[in-house]
Amino acid sequence: QQQVKQSPQSLIVQKGGISIINCAYENTAFDYFPWYQQFPGKGPALLIAIRPDVSEKKEGRFTISFNKSAKQFSLHIMDSQPGDSATYFCAALENQGGKLIFGQGTELSVKP
Amino acid sequence: DAGITQSPRHKVTETGTPVTLRCHQTENHRYMYWYRQDPGHGLRLIHYSYGVKDTDKGEVSDGYSVSRSKTEDFLLTLESATSSQTSVYFCAISEPGQGFGEAFFGQGTRLTVV
Repeated sequence: QQQVKQSPQSLIVQKGGISIINCAYENTAFDYFPWYQQFPGKGPALLIAIRPDVSEKKEGRFTISFNKSAKQFSLHIMDSQPGDSATYFCAALENQGGKLIFGQGTELSVKP
Repeated sequence: DAGITQSPRHKVTETGTPVTLRCHQTENHRYMYWYRQDPGHGLRLIHYSYGVKDTDKGEVSDGYSVSRSKTEDFLLTLESATSSQTSVYFCAISEPGQGFGEAFFGQGTRLTVV
């Protein structure tokens, strides 16, 4: 069973719009929640990450919102640009044991 | 780029043959991971290692084994390849305490089982 569930599977946004990707988890042993970005033919790369004791983290146009009680977190991309077109993965890390689990991925397409 | 090398980068093999994929790192990171990436399933953890000779199963470990005899090398073996193991395989490394669980990925190995 998928320990980290991600939605939507694909997303089309107009340039300048807001892209929103959602994730949910069950395992309370997870204690870091990173987001990764992947371009075709490349390995994923860290985009932004959050600890569960923080409800929001912003880096430039990228914001993570975290709801610990609901075990949900989301990525918001403000002012989306065509260069943001990529696959985005949420993930959850058990810092104690090192297990790093990914969601199913969201293919984002930003139209000019 | 983090020093991670996967080999081979591409491989075509026949059903029933053994296959070994290699991940080599020059970063001295403690954790190493093997994932497979398939459309609609994202990245699924196969096995991971938290030190030399210390490994554990991930989400989809059936049909796969791993070994880590040195810090820098993590081998993934398909004992008897099946068509369902056709996939892109990624190795990743991380060091606890550095960044927010940042894992660095290799370029991937595209494996086709015919």
